Amino acid sequence: DVKVTQSSRYLVKRTGEKVFLECVQDMDHENMFWYRQDPGLGLRLIYFSYDVKMKEKGDIPEGYSVSREKKERFSLILESASTNQTSMYLCASSGLGADGNTIYFGEGSWLTVV
Amino acid sequence: AQSVTQLDSHVSVSEGTPVLLRCNYSSSYSPSLFWYVQHPNKGLQLLLKYTSAATLVKGINGFEAEFKKSETSFHLTKPSAHMSDAAEYFCVVDRYNFNKFYFGSGTKLNVKP
Repeated sequence: DVKVTQSSRYLVKRTGEKVFLECVQDMDHENMFWYRQDPGLGLRLIYFSYDVKMKEKGDIPEGYSVSREKKERFSLILESASTNQTSMYLCASSGLGADGNTIYFGEGSWLTVV
Repeated sequence: AQSVTQLDSHVSVSEGTPVLLRCNYSSSYSPSLFWYVQHPNKGLQLLLKYTSAATLVKGINGFEAEFKKSETSFHLTKPSAHMSDAAEYFCVVDRYNFNKFYFGSGTKLNVKP
């Protein structure tokens, strides 16, 4: 089974803090994604990466950055957390090969910024 | 234009009755289509996937979906709802099979005893 692991399920951070959300996948997938999910707004793509050290902005990249130094790991960084970044963050991955373009999700990270 | 539209934001059924969750997509290409389920405070779990091999796709937990190109629909069905099916369901399309995914707004399924 594909496994996408988000290391932190619940975090509480203060306004202005730097926040790291870590994600690891174990299926050697080329593509990795960060989404945020908010009631009434659905899933919105923040950033995605199609290869190591490569990244592309999604629909709402402002206030976020990402890092992909190794194929299996994709980190989301909030340089200076703000209260409007309180949300559920979902990491996902997808690959090539027989499984094609199926996207697999982690369990989510609930971030509260106070 | 929306790439994928879930026609109902909420659906309520009684346990043991059929479930129908509706999804329409827009694509001029042959897309890949997916249904995912999300239980409270969890990530999205793949229910089933359509990739043009067969128009009727069977998934986990008794769910299935039928791809109808003429209607640009991919509705999710289950013959008999269980209480454990109560969750939010997302229809997802990869329009050009480029790993660029478009998500529907979700349908919350309530199952009454």
